[in-house]
Amino acid sequence: GEDVEQSLFLSVREGDSSVINCTYTDSSSTYLYWYKQEPGAGLQLLTYIFSNMDMKQDQRLTVLLNKKDKHLSLRIADTQTGDSAIYFCADSLNRDDKIIFGKGTRLHILP
Amino acid sequence: GAVVSQHPSWVICKSGTSVKIECRSLDFQATTMFWYRQFPKQSLMLMATSNEGSKATYEQGVEKDKFLINHASLTLSTLTVTSAHPEDSSFYICSASGEHTGELFFGEGSRLTVL
Repeated sequence: GEDVEQSLFLSVREGDSSVINCTYTDSSSTYLYWYKQEPGAGLQLLTYIFSNMDMKQDQRLTVLLNKKDKHLSLRIADTQTGDSAIYFCADSLNRDDKIIFGKGTRLHILP
Repeated sequence: GAVVSQHPSWVICKSGTSVKIECRSLDFQATTMFWYRQFPKQSLMLMATSNEGSKATYEQGVEKDKFLINHASLTLSTLTVTSAHPEDSSFYICSASGEHTGELFFGEGSRLTVL
């Protein structure tokens, strides 16, 4: 079945770049998302990318998509303490289709 | 931006009682809403897809009679946990599709604790 995999933990020093990786199994996925969940809060959509794109940049965030390898990454430049959160990778077939989430990567910022 | 509101944020109930959680899209119409459940340190698990005016589509393994979902209007979906038990204690999150592709807005979540 459909599956989204990502590593559970990542530690990065403040000011460095963070790269969170994700792999998905469904080659029919059209939309790929990155969500951020801060402690005790709901999910916030950070960014998304269509499957016909290779890269999308939005301020400090860069999303790279390798459709052949079904690999998605999120790069956060100049990581700040406020970036400490759980980041979920997700995919869906269509706009109103169900979204399949990974288990989330907990980003820990070192001083 | 679009806002999705959930109520209540926290609820504690006794075992055997039923609890209703509301999910509202405040400034847009949502024909489709999703209900998720999140256990501690685990991923979100999609429970069901709620479509306005029709029956919800439940994911495999989710008990329809246990988790009643109603989507009576374009701005409101409700999840009722019937005859709640301690194992139902969890964080329940709803989401709704906005007008633009990829914008899925989430509620703040509702933490249910069943004693």
